[in-house]
Amino acid sequence: EAGVAQSPRYKIIEKRQSVAFWCNPISGHATLYWYQQILGQGPKLLIQFQNNGVVDDSQLPKDRFSAERLKGVDSTLKIQPAKLEDSAVYLCASSLDSLVPHEQFFGPGTRLTVL
Amino acid sequence: DQQVKQNSPSLSVQEGRISILNCDYTNSMFDYFLWYKKYPAEGPTFLISISSIKDKNEDGRFTVFLNKSAKHLSLHIVPSQPGDSAVYFCAASTVQTGANNLFFGTGTRLTVIP
Repeated sequence: EAGVAQSPRYKIIEKRQSVAFWCNPISGHATLYWYQQILGQGPKLLIQFQNNGVVDDSQLPKDRFSAERLKGVDSTLKIQPAKLEDSAVYLCASSLDSLVPHEQFFGPGTRLTVL
Repeated sequence: DQQVKQNSPSLSVQEGRISILNCDYTNSMFDYFLWYKKYPAEGPTFLISISSIKDKNEDGRFTVFLNKSAKHLSLHIVPSQPGDSAVYFCAASTVQTGANNLFFGTGTRLTVIP
């Protein structure tokens, strides 16, 4: 079974530039999550999708971050414009659904450095 | 506000001995707890979980204990092996709300010395 795929693996940009990350979840997984992990901290949920609908985006900085999951499969997370404090690893995860306890499967992450 | 806390950033254990990783939480609404293991340059991988209706769950060398009154859980690894060296994250969720989003601790780096 293929795991969660993410690209790119690394990205370096200057502040005020834009960046986008892509995630392909495990086939058949209805729920998709984007997490931000700052160095020395645990992952923090940014947004959760159930199919192509948003379940929770309460911690997404909506003035600069946006995410979509068209057709309920792949997802993209965008930052525009980036700030220095956005430097982090962005993790995508998926699970069968969110209605019962299901383990979340994580991708390898995208390490973003904002200079 | 950190709702899940791992107060030990690192732990070193001799191969063959027991590793005990601790985790505390503050939100009494949490009803499902998980441990994830993370190697460098990889995403976290699920290790073991426990529902709040239980106080112990065992899977091979890994056992998770939950003390709801103390809002504390621990992960026991016995015997510890060098391949267990990784960062371990404790996570919690409120499944009853239907969201299933995870709140993570800051992680404990375990080093198993051969």
